[in-house]
Amino acid sequence: GAVVSQHPSRVICKSGTSVKIECRSLDFQATTMFWYRQFPKQSLMLMATSNEGSKATYEQGVEKDKFLINHASLTLSTLTVTSAHPEDSSFYICSAMYRAQETQYFGPGTRLLVL
Amino acid sequence: KQEVTQIPAALSVPEGENLVLNCSFTDSAIYNLQWFRQDPGKGLTSLLLIQSSQREQTSGRLNASLDKSSGRSTLYIAASQPGDSATYLCAVKSGGGADGLTFGKGTHLIIQP
Repeated sequence: GAVVSQHPSRVICKSGTSVKIECRSLDFQATTMFWYRQFPKQSLMLMATSNEGSKATYEQGVEKDKFLINHASLTLSTLTVTSAHPEDSSFYICSAMYRAQETQYFGPGTRLLVL
Repeated sequence: KQEVTQIPAALSVPEGENLVLNCSFTDSAIYNLQWFRQDPGKGLTSLLLIQSSQREQTSGRLNASLDKSSGRSTLYIAASQPGDSATYLCAVKSGGGADGLTFGKGTHLIIQP
């Protein structure tokens, strides 16, 4: 159990376009979902925390108008990178947590390349 | 602000050796600490989770210890195998509830056949 999926696994887009990444908890209801970003040879950095039905909480330095997060249901959260630029190229990983367990289950990640 | 450091950054050893990976964190007031494995271009696989009240956790050939007061954790891998080659990440959860994790940069491990 506790499987988290992400779609797409890899995406290439042109500079200036928007990209949406989906994170789904397949067999449990996630009260909270997290979005992380990992640049090459760097650690995973928390970008934002989202709770179902409420606005996401962004970490310092993360632009909320650029990285739009929607957590519309207990099994789905989406991250939209708006007006993507080459510096947004990174590995984006989501995790999902069920309140009672307080354990985060990670998705397989999405590799974004902005040309 | 919590900071997590992992030493060494990279390690290459012959198959069969026992090895130790180190993790340190600056704020000892943690909720739990977790070790993950990450294969190239892949997501994370949770290996061991140690609650702040615990001293160690074991799973197969893996043993993780936690010394919260000194801000340190170690991951011990016994009888290493080529399949253990991966990047090992240490992550700290500072509070209970819906807190995100603070990760180290990882130790890139290569086990030579």
